[in-house]
Amino acid sequence: EAGVAQSPRYKIIEKRQSVAFWCNPISGHATLYWYQQILGQGPKLLIQFQNNGVVDDSQLPKDRFSAERLKGVDSTLKIQPAKLEDSAVYLCASSLAQRGGGRNNEQFFGPGTRLTVL
Amino acid sequence: ELKVEQNPLFLSMQEGKNYTIYCNYSTTSDRLYWYRQDPGKSLESLFVLLSNGAVKQEGRLMASLDTKARLSTLHITAAVHDLSATYFCAVDMKEYGNKLVFGAGTILRVKS
Repeated sequence: EAGVAQSPRYKIIEKRQSVAFWCNPISGHATLYWYQQILGQGPKLLIQFQNNGVVDDSQLPKDRFSAERLKGVDSTLKIQPAKLEDSAVYLCASSLAQRGGGRNNEQFFGPGTRLTVL
Repeated sequence: ELKVEQNPLFLSMQEGKNYTIYCNYSTTSDRLYWYRQDPGKSLESLFVLLSNGAVKQEGRLMASLDTKARLSTLHITAAVHDLSATYFCAVDMKEYGNKLVFGAGTILRVKS
């Protein structure tokens, strides 16, 4: 079974530039998550989709970050404009979990995109 | 707001020794996950704990969950160098759409 795919793996940009990340979840997984992991910290949830609807975006800095999952499969996360503090690894994860049902919310993570903002 | 605290944050141990990593959380939850992360790599699922009293074992690692104490432990038996990695616990907030809140991670270094 193919895992969660992400691209690019690495990206270096200057502050105030824009950047986009792409994620393809495991086939059949309804729920997709974007996390930000700053060096030395645990992942922090940015946004959670169930199918193509947003479940939780309470920690997404909406003045500069946006995300979409138009057909309920692939997703893109965009930062515009980037700041120095956005330097981090952006992880995409997916799970079978449906809201309100099922007990196992085990999430499977992609390899991540390491963003450096200069 | 849910807080997840791991301790220790850094653990250096000799091969062959035993040790326990603790994960405390601040609200009710009966689902907790342990992940491993190698340097520069993504997170790998280790254990899924879905009820009070759950215990899972894989090789030299054993995880348990006490929902009444809001505590999970990851016990390492007879450590080997290959276990060196960062270990995260993550608590499932099902009432918030199955949001996972991660601890800060425990960096484990096993010295030979």
